[in-house]
Amino acid sequence: AQSVTQLDSHVSVSEGTPVLLRCNYSSSYSPSLFWYVQHPNKGLQLLLKYTSAATLVKGINGFEAEFKKSETSFHLTKPSAHMSDAAEYFCVVSGFQKLVFGTGTRLLVSP
Amino acid sequence: ETGVTQTPRHLVMGMTNKKSLKCEQHLGHNAMYWYKQSAKKPLELMFVYNFKEQTENNSVPSRFSPECPNSSHLFLHLHTLQPEDSALYLCASSQDRRLSSGRAYEQYFGPGTRLTVT
Repeated sequence: AQSVTQLDSHVSVSEGTPVLLRCNYSSSYSPSLFWYVQHPNKGLQLLLKYTSAATLVKGINGFEAEFKKSETSFHLTKPSAHMSDAAEYFCVVSGFQKLVFGTGTRLLVSP
Repeated sequence: ETGVTQTPRHLVMGMTNKKSLKCEQHLGHNAMYWYKQSAKKPLELMFVYNFKEQTENNSVPSRFSPECPNSSHLFLHLHTLQPEDSALYLCASSQDRRLSSGRAYEQYFGPGTRLTVT
């Protein structure tokens, strides 16, 4: 079965500093992996996706993620946080005909 | 309109009311989904439709009744709800799952309906 573990429930950064949101996955076959972002009282927006092409995936708003098979990780990074990045982030793995969502990481950005 | 739209955005209803949530996708997808998102709980998949056929019902109480008249529209009919049903209800769509040889495609979400049951 497929699963994801988001290692931090909350991450706090200062504006202008790097962001690292950690995700480990488990999959019995070569997975597709996604990161979604959810701003307060909004739906989930697809940030980026990995589908077995390049291991470094670039997404919207300056985010990127690196697929590391040996570490079963798919961490999300951004070089410089912006106040508008404050939101909940979900790591997602493709299961058999369904998506399996992590429990989410809340990113707090302080001025 | 583009993407996935949901109406209403906010709904307050009493336990004896009947109401419906509407979702429409403008992406040409053939699979549609209802999710429930409650505070401090993981996202819960409720129902899945492929080409208008219900292909998944995750033990959802019968007071929630989905309807999918065509591949672009999805409804969730609500009746005699409980206060614990208060949540954000999200609709999503994707390419047809049955064509993916097992691996799920990414889903595109609507903004959600914030439901409060009093």
